[in-house]
Amino acid sequence: KAGVTQTPRYLIKTRGQQVTLSCSPISGHRSVSWYQQTPGQGLQFLFEYFSETQRNKGNFPGRFSGRQFSNSRSEMNVSTLELGDSALYLCASSEDLDTQYFGPGTRLTVL
Amino acid sequence: KQEVTQIPAALSVPEGENLVLNCSFTDSAIYNLQWFRQDPGKGLTSLLLIQSSQREQTSGRLNASLDKSSGRSTLYIAASQPGDSATYLCAVDTSGTYKYIFGTGTRLKVLA
Repeated sequence: KAGVTQTPRYLIKTRGQQVTLSCSPISGHRSVSWYQQTPGQGLQFLFEYFSETQRNKGNFPGRFSGRQFSNSRSEMNVSTLELGDSALYLCASSEDLDTQYFGPGTRLTVL
Repeated sequence: KQEVTQIPAALSVPEGENLVLNCSFTDSAIYNLQWFRQDPGKGLTSLLLIQSSQREQTSGRLNASLDKSSGRSTLYIAASQPGDSATYLCAVDTSGTYKYIFGTGTRLKVLA
């Protein structure tokens, strides 16, 4: 099976812009989680979707949002970008409450 | 508030040594705990998943234990190899829906 894919792999934006990141889970996996990784804060949970429903959300401002489509693909959106949003954004998929498989991440740089 | 701590932050050992990585968490009400490996600039690879009802899991040279009552987990790596060099992260699921809280990681270097 193909692994988790994330697009784009690298992204450079300027403050105030918005960005959409995409995640395609492993075929058959219905759960997709998103994480932000920064040197200062480490890995932090953003949100998790299962069958198009958000089941859980981390402590991030409303500028961070996500959705999941009927084919389990997921997108996350960050509006009004800030310098502090520069990070590696990771998504992970699983069948349900099982081992998570992570994608390679999208590295976002905000200038 | 759940906090996850990993000690040591960095570790350098000669090839062939057995080693133990530690993870502690402040709230014992967890659904499961996972150990991950992260190579530089890459995503995470799940190594072992321990459900809250389990005490340990094994995979090859890796063994992870879980003691919920004391808020501790250990990852034992037998006969370490240079290819084991990576950052090891533990994470606890506090919600049953993958709301993982991660530790800060242990950066391991195995010298040939």
